[in-house]
Amino acid sequence: QKEVEQNSGPLSVPEGAIASLNCTYSDRVSQSFFWYRQYSGKSPELIMSIYSNGDKEDGRFTAQLNKASQYVSLLIRDSQPSDSATYLCAVNQAGTALIFGKGTTLSVSS
Amino acid sequence: SQTIHQWPATLVQPVGSPLSLECTVEGTSNPNLYWYRQAAGRGLQLLFYSVGIGQISSEVPQNLSASRPQDRQFILSSKKLLLSDSGFYLCAWSPANSPLHFGNGTRLTVT
Repeated sequence: QKEVEQNSGPLSVPEGAIASLNCTYSDRVSQSFFWYRQYSGKSPELIMSIYSNGDKEDGRFTAQLNKASQYVSLLIRDSQPSDSATYLCAVNQAGTALIFGKGTTLSVSS
Repeated sequence: SQTIHQWPATLVQPVGSPLSLECTVEGTSNPNLYWYRQAAGRGLQLLFYSVGIGQISSEVPQNLSASRPQDRQFILSSKKLLLSDSGFYLCAWSPANSPLHFGNGTRLTVT
């Protein structure tokens, strides 16, 4: 069974610090990797996608993918209290539905 | 631009009552459509997905069903709700092989 694993947290960081969120997946042929942010009581919103090994940067967010280790991570630089949310890792192969991890709760204290 | 509409936002239903949740997408044609459920303290569980009118794939056997009567309309139904059906129901759409975009969700409480 295809699985996506995340540490549930909570991960607590002070304002201005780097938050590091990690995700592992079981299906070696996975091709697409996504990070979603979900505020309490709201629906998930896409913040990053990555398809090839290495780093992808978008503003304060950097996604890192290592297919050999079946590992994907999200770094949030200069963390803000507004970044406090649950971060969901999602993985799929071409033509299949996304499989989501249970999410990591991030708390940024001011 | 594409938008997704999902309603109602909240719903309280007694055990054994029927359910109908509706989702529509605007600004695109032939989208892939999905229903997910998020129970308290649990991850997103894929319930159904559809790649076209009348084409429904079920991921989890249960008392729920889905239909796609029109290209951009996706409906989640149940004839008799169970307590375990409570949760946050999310409709999502995507172009082929692209990320999902979620609606605002329906919070269902079965009493």
